[in-house]
Amino acid sequence: DQQVKQNSPSLSVQEGRISILNCDYTNSMFDYFLWYKKYPAEGPTFLISISSIKDKNEDGRFTVFLNKSAKHLSLHIVPSQPGDSAVYFCAASGERHEGGGSNYKLTFGKGTLLTVNP
Amino acid sequence: DAGVIQSPRHEVTEMGQEVTLRCKPISGHNSLFWYRQTMMRGLELLIYFNNNVPIDDSGMPEDRFSAKMPNASFSTLKIQPSEPRDSAVYFCASRRRGPSGELFFGEGSRLTVL
Repeated sequence: DQQVKQNSPSLSVQEGRISILNCDYTNSMFDYFLWYKKYPAEGPTFLISISSIKDKNEDGRFTVFLNKSAKHLSLHIVPSQPGDSAVYFCAASGERHEGGGSNYKLTFGKGTLLTVNP
Repeated sequence: DAGVIQSPRHEVTEMGQEVTLRCKPISGHNSLFWYRQTMMRGLELLIYFNNNVPIDDSGMPEDRFSAKMPNASFSTLKIQPSEPRDSAVYFCASRRRGPSGELFFGEGSRLTVL
């Protein structure tokens, strides 16, 4: 049972245009969301995150939008560049605290392969 | 900072053999995670440790899989006996104590079981 879903396995856009990657989740306990980027033969690397108390977070060309009522988030990349071509994973967590520490795990979607054409 | 270090990067073995994957987390990070990536299932969490203690191993597929973290700087994932369906890329990741933050992943160990 996939709690984090990325329904588009791939997306192709032209350089300079906007890329929009989508992610849906089912667990209402999730309160923190992240996007990771993965190049071939490398591990995923953190890109951007958003807490459930916000609906938007922006970092340069990357913006993540969160719609809690729809349990949906999206990553916008504008303008898209050929170097953005990679697999993008959406991830979610529900934080739990024990004795002042933090205790959580990330649940990932299956990923979306973004190809930005020159 | 050296990052999360995994070994081996590639492993090819025959069905029935024991496989041991190794991970050195980033110094100072107190949580360590083992993930498996396949085309069918994407990135699956197998097990994670907090302060060297296993917290959630519900993702470990079968008793053939086991993981240990004897100290803060080393963890192993063992498959015994291995099967062809275990072929995947296995990632180790770590994070530091504190508010929600990102995981730092190693480069992965690509396992092929013939």
